[in-house]
Amino acid sequence: DIQMTQSPNVSASVGDRVSITCRASQSISSWLAWYQQKPGRAPKFLIYRASSLERGVPVRFSGSGSGTEFTLTISSLQPDDFATYYCQQYKSYPYTFGQGTKLEIK
Amino acid sequence: QVHLVQSGAEVKKPGASVKVSCKLTGDFPTQLSIHWVRQGPAKGLEWMGGFDPEDGETTYAQKFQGRIITTEDTSTDTAYMELSSLRSEDTAMYYCARGVVKGSFDFWGQGTLVTVSS
Repeated sequence: DIQMTQSPNVSASVGDRVSITCRASQSISSWLAWYQQKPGRAPKFLIYRASSLERGVPVRFSGSGSGTEFTLTISSLQPDDFATYYCQQYKSYPYTFGQGTKLEIK
Repeated sequence: QVHLVQSGAEVKKPGASVKVSCKLTGDFPTQLSIHWVRQGPAKGLEWMGGFDPEDGETTYAQKFQGRIITTEDTSTDTAYMELSSLRSEDTAMYYCARGVVKGSFDFWGQGTLVTVSS
C-alpha cells in the first residue's frame, strides 16, 4: 500500500500564507487530491490531480508537486479556512489518505 | 450538482451486519463511481472500496475483504454498503462519495454513524 504522510498540525493567523505538505511512500505521478474537513461535516473536495482547483473553491487555495512531494498552499488565511486538511492518493488501490493536518487559529 | 443522502444512524451488536444506503439525486451520468470511506472517532479517513465504471470492477481494501459488499440499484439511484461480522473497532462514521478524475471524490454524503456495542 502507498503510505501518505502529512506535515504536523499548524497554528496561524488570519491573513497568513500557509503551506501543508504531503509525502507519498512511492511515486504517484500527479494522482493526488486535497480535502478540507470541519468538525461534524463530510470532507470537501478542494484540488485534484495535484494542482487543479475544483470549481467553486476560492483561488487562495493552490496545489503543487508531483512524484512523491506535494504541497497545499493557502495564500491568505480566512476565518473559514481553519479546519483539518487531508491529502489522498489515487494512483493505485487501495486509495489512501494522509493522517490529516489541523490548521488552528493562533 | 449531485447530492448524496445517506440512511440514518445504526447501533449494532458485535457479530451483526449493517447495511448503509446512499441515495443520489441531481444531474449525473448513468454509470456512477461510488466509493465508501469511513472515519473512526477522532481518526482520519479510510477508503473501504468502490466501483470503477471504466472497467466495471468493484475493488475493496484488503482489510475489508470477505466482510464488505457494495451494490448499486440503478432503478432507484441508490448505492448500498453492507459490512458484516461487526466488531467494536468498526464504530465509525461511514461516508459514500462520488468518484471523479479516476479516483478523487467530489461529492460526499452526510455520513452515517455506525456504533458497535454489546
